[in-house]
Amino acid sequence: DTGVSQDPRHKITKRGQNVTFRCDPISEHNRLYWYRQTLGQGPEFLTYFQNEAQLEKSRLLSDRFSAERPKGSFSTLEIQRTEQGDSAMYLCASRPPATGTPSNEQFFGPGTRLTVL
Amino acid sequence: AQKITQTQPGMFVQEKEAVTLDCTYDTSDPSYGLFWYKQPSSGEMIFLIYQGSYDQQNATEGRYSLNFQKARKSANLVISASQLGDSAMYFCAMRENRGSTLGRLYFGRGTQLTVWP
Repeated sequence: DTGVSQDPRHKITKRGQNVTFRCDPISEHNRLYWYRQTLGQGPEFLTYFQNEAQLEKSRLLSDRFSAERPKGSFSTLEIQRTEQGDSAMYLCASRPPATGTPSNEQFFGPGTRLTVL
Repeated sequence: AQKITQTQPGMFVQEKEAVTLDCTYDTSDPSYGLFWYKQPSSGEMIFLIYQGSYDQQNATEGRYSLNFQKARKSANLVISASQLGDSAMYFCAMRENRGSTLGRLYFGRGTQLTVWP
């Protein structure tokens, strides 16, 4: 399967602990997005990478959140000192370089469901 | 202001019937794209259909069609001949192609579709 993969699929942690999620995009997709989806809501944008450069961060991404994409391949999202309000599904999506396809849609991974106790 | 509004939290349709899921959007960008994604209980977002703001014809993809009314800023999804496997959450999303949004998607709150036999 050559789709977007995310690891772990589920994470349960205690408040105050640090957690790290990984996203492996589709190969040759140079653009990568992180979203957060809380219960009953649509996904909300967190951050965007083009190759290894983090070009945009949402105001939702507090100082406790950090994301990296070393070498423009996989990406990690770390949450420090987790809070109960961080409980959500964290979705990663990748997108190819601009092509002749008008949609140039984002391809999503299965998500990591985080529960903070 | 909400960029994407989905006013139907839940919809029910009998198998083999058609169903329309509503979506309205708000943008001042003259160039934008509208997307519909399906999210089964497994969590992965599955791309269904795309409509560009300059497209003259409504998009169609198999049993999916998009009823695009630009003046009313609506982009309703029509699913024909519903199947039990269509039961899922459906999200309308928008990408603004100009400005500094770098391709992020804005999502609505979704509509839970249930197909019954």
